[in-house]
Amino acid sequence: QKEVEQDPGPLSVPEGAIVSLNCTYSNSAFQYFMWYRQYSRKGPELLMYTYSSGNKEDGRFTAQVDKSSKYISLFIRDSQPSDSATYLCAMSVGGANSKLTFGKGITLSVRP
Amino acid sequence: GAVVSQHPSWVICKSGTSVKIECRSLDFQATTMFWYRQFPKQSLMLMATSNEGSKATYEQGVEKDKFLINHASLTLSTLTVTSAHPEDSSFYICSARDRRGTSVPEQYFGPGTRLTVT
Repeated sequence: QKEVEQDPGPLSVPEGAIVSLNCTYSNSAFQYFMWYRQYSRKGPELLMYTYSSGNKEDGRFTAQVDKSSKYISLFIRDSQPSDSATYLCAMSVGGANSKLTFGKGITLSVRP
Repeated sequence: GAVVSQHPSWVICKSGTSVKIECRSLDFQATTMFWYRQFPKQSLMLMATSNEGSKATYEQGVEKDKFLINHASLTLSTLTVTSAHPEDSSFYICSARDRRGTSVPEQYFGPGTRLTVT
């Protein structure tokens, strides 16, 4: 079992739809949960991070973490064509030099 | 703020030659930089972690003599792929942590370098 599993894609939705992206993990030591967005042939950019369990909202984006189930989600409301990208979940145990463990990524396409 | 650059953005080289990729933090000082490689439709795989002024820590299965990492200053790390072969063709991405960072393991990523070995 991989440390981080991410729902396979690709995912195609119409503009305005609510998108749900999910990851599961096996390492109970993970404390930081992040979502990165990566456009084609570009480096990833951090969208949001959450520490421990709970929800976090930033504009149209909501991140949820359920540590008891080892399950995290990213919701995108009112999706836009500009949201079309690959979304990667990443996790870390924390600390100054702590490395990130990434999910495989899911490619989202928002149709106008 | 928190901009990381990479150079070159793409490179084509012949089998057996060496290629150097630079990673710079432009507006912050980075005590730690990370090097990843990414195959098409695959996730980022951490290759090594480098701290300024010390030897890099390589992940299991990564040949340290093939992938030479130098982190000579707080704003520059280099990755040299020595004696490159076609199987080394990949997308190489670096990231950096701000030395003023908190316990949040946030990394700022460069735009990546596409290496093609013919």
